[in-house]
Amino acid sequence: QLQLQESGPGLVKPSETLSLTCTVSGGSLITRSNYWGWVRQPPGKGLEWIATIYYGGNTYYNPSLKGRVTISADTSKNQFSLELNSVTAADTARYYCARHRGVGATWHAFDYWGQGTLVTVSS
Amino acid sequence: QSVLTQPPSVSAAPGQKVTISCSGRNSNLGINGVSWYQQVPGTAPQLLIYDNNNRPSGIPDRFSGSKSGTSATLGISGLQTGDEADYYCGAWDNSLSDVVFGGGTKLTVL
Repeated sequence: QLQLQESGPGLVKPSETLSLTCTVSGGSLITRSNYWGWVRQPPGKGLEWIATIYYGGNTYYNPSLKGRVTISADTSKNQFSLELNSVTAADTARYYCARHRGVGATWHAFDYWGQGTLVTVSS
Repeated sequence: QSVLTQPPSVSAAPGQKVTISCSGRNSNLGINGVSWYQQVPGTAPQLLIYDNNNRPSGIPDRFSGSKSGTSATLGISGLQTGDEADYYCGAWDNSLSDVVFGGGTKLTVL
């Protein structure tokens, strides 16, 4: 059974960089047609896609966050990571990593999710 | 303001059927498949439906999906108290180059 687990600081200061890692177990990052993404959810609000990566290096970003976001993968550790710079209070959210299916097709879905990690931006 | 529009809340009695709507545009639901997620409070979202009407393994057939034009519908039959959750629709938007979601619908099983 595929499992994903987020890790990283729960508190980040304004203007600094938020860094999170997702460890994948029960499956390999290097699997054809598997893409890996990040989705966030501010407290009491809805879902927002952040970014997605394919192990081969293709990356996809939410246009509203592009320029502040970097997604990367370390296939040797079966992990992928997120960096979001110049954070503000508006970036306070629960951050989920997930397997992203259907990229390049006419449908998209996130079928396996981590439990999420709450990141608060505050001084 | 979410790109996909969902009603804030719906309710129904146990055993009944409820539908949740999701309205979009040509650039998203008009040409791309919709996915649906269930989020029980305090937990991660769970995929219920992908590509309009396909259920992942393990999702009971009480959950169904359909799409017509730029609108999609999630149906839940035989309602159980355990179905109380927030439900989200999502799709790719070709104009925005973005995965877009609805604002979520809170289901109450009376």
